Amino acid sequence: EVQLVESGGDLIQPGGSLRLACAVSGFSFINCAMGWVRQAPGKRPEWVAVISGNGGIPAYRDAVRGRFTISRDNSENTMYLQMNGLRDDDTAIYYCAKYDGSGDDGIHWGNADYWGQGTLVTVSS
Amino acid sequence: EIVLTQSPATLSLSPGERATLSCRASQSISSYLAWYQHKPGQAPRLLIYDASNRATGIPARFSGSGSGTDFTLTISSLEPEDFAVYYCQHRNNWPRTFGQGTKVEVK
Repeated sequence: EVQLVESGGDLIQPGGSLRLACAVSGFSFINCAMGWVRQAPGKRPEWVAVISGNGGIPAYRDAVRGRFTISRDNSENTMYLQMNGLRDDDTAIYYCAKYDGSGDDGIHWGNADYWGQGTLVTVSS
Repeated sequence: EIVLTQSPATLSLSPGERATLSCRASQSISSYLAWYQHKPGQAPRLLIYDASNRATGIPARFSGSGSGTDFTLTISSLEPEDFAVYYCQHRNNWPRTFGQGTKVEVK
């Protein structure tokens, strides 16, 4: 059974840092790209970042580039999102998602076929 | 950035009725469209990928169609567990964007 479990969400002050983790099981982690999607209250979901199966190709949405870093530890079947310089508009539920392609060639990422239940990040003073 | 527009915002139907949800893209995305079901507190669930392919374990009452800019998700006969929010998402390029969602509620 495919499982994705996020952790690390918290209440944090503007300008602060937080690291989210996504622990997975039930599939070949190294062969799958992984990503983060967030949903702010009352808003549509938005893709945040993605990383290829071998970790060599990360990509970010413009609003988080330079502040967020996506990474993965293929020996621990875990993906991370380091979030620095947090802003009020980063408040959202953050979901991790598995893709059915590896993305190792920068082209074949596939579809986000499994998701976790999300972890809440609240940025507020 | 490709904008996806879903309609209607809310669909009020009874169990057993047919649901038809629409998703329109601001530019052609070929058949690179997926549909997700999302219930509060749960993980989003992939229903349809590449416009018309049912994901693993998805019942046959869910079907998708369309290409280019206009897409449809049809639920042939609503079951009690189908009342939820449905999102479309494209994978034509990055950033992969979502529609604003259609809530299917009990009439």
